[in-house]
Order: sequence, then structure tokens, then C-alpha cells
Amino acid sequence: DADVTQTPRNRITKTGKRIMLECSQTKGHDRMYWYRQDPGLGLRLIYYSFDVKDINKGEISDGYSVSRQAQAKFSLSLESAIPNQTALYFCATSTRPGQGTHNEQFFGPGTRLTVL
Amino acid sequence: LAKTTQPISMDSYEGQEVNITCSHNNIATNDYITWYQQFPSQGPRFIIQGYKTKVTNEVASLFIPADRKSSTLSLPRVSLSDTAVYYCLVVTMEYGNKLVFGAGTILRVKS
Repeated sequence: DADVTQTPRNRITKTGKRIMLECSQTKGHDRMYWYRQDPGLGLRLIYYSFDVKDINKGEISDGYSVSRQAQAKFSLSLESAIPNQTALYFCATSTRPGQGTHNEQFFGPGTRLTVL
Repeated sequence: LAKTTQPISMDSYEGQEVNITCSHNNIATNDYITWYQQFPSQGPRFIIQGYKTKVTNEVASLFIPADRKSSTLSLPRVSLSDTAVYYCLVVTMEYGNKLVFGAGTILRVKS
């Protein structure tokens, strides 16, 4: 079984709809992240959480919100989806600094979101 | 935050050694150099990380000169399955250990 899972894997929605992307991990990591990737570009950080009570904005948080329901679950919501949020979304996890490789992140398989 | 610069794309043939160089002129004392690999429609995967000199694992080698302003990822004897995007990142403790991805280098391996 995959250590980091994302649901759904693909989603098509309409402008203005609310949508939630979910991420679960079995790695026991404290830190979780949400990224988006646009065609031909690298990943950009949307939100990150260093533990259940810690939520931080990333580079491009406008139009998104997150919820860290438990250590293993981190959800990303688009309150009112717009077409330029069409992208590939990745969830990732990592341990705390000092544990293992310096902030090695483990990525999920991604969710392809299309907003019409 | 140290910015990285790497070639947009590279082509190679099966069995060759591929070297991808990355520059990071503003790297700080506590920063680490990290490389990720991404296949189409998959999440990035950690390849290798280093601080200075040379690091080698079962997948690649990472060469870092003394001034640490550049690094070279070396992939020995590439195969078609090594076709992917390779990202060079500087992991900085001052930025909370978050990862900042550039556009990466598209490596195409041909038969």
C-alpha cells in the first residue's frame, strides 16, 4: 500500500463549486504539505503544517484553505473554484529536522483537477 | 533564499553517463543541496542530498565543490526509464526546511 495517498485522483468541476482534496499518510510523519504544479513548471507550495495545531501559508495560498484533521490527514479546499486553479495537486510529508535525511519529502500520486 | 539555476533540458543515449549541473551562488552555510526526480503524472521522488564534496548512493552521485556555489548530479549509464524531470533544490533551515522547486531539467534518454 502507498504511504501517501490522495483522493480523488482526477476531478472535473465547474467554476464556483467548492471542492476538497484529501491526503492521508501512514508514514507517521508530523509535517504535511500541499503543492500545485502547472504544465512545464515546478511545484509551488500552497500550505504546510508542521503538526496538527500548526497551519502555515505557502507561496500561493490565496483561494485555498486547509484542514489538518489528524496527524495522518491533511485536506485542501477550494472554496469557490476558478479555471486558473486547474492544475496537478500534490500532497507531501516529511519528518522533523534532525530525523533522517534533511527534510526529505515523500509525495503522493497527485490529483489532477480541472475547473471548467 | 538561495535561487538555483539548471539547464532546461538535456538529451542523452542509453548507457551514457549524464551530468546535470546546478548553480546556487547564494547558498548559505546551513543549506543542503538536494535533487528530486519526477516522472510524468507522478510526484517528485528524492534522489540524493549533500552538503559538500561527494555523495554516492545506489541511484546517483552528487559532486559539490569547496565553494558550494554549484553542484553536479551524475547518473551513471542511463536507461530509457531515467527520462524524467530533475530538480535541484537548496534546502534551507532559515526557510523552515521548506522546498522551493524551480522548473527543473528535462532529461530525455534515447535508444
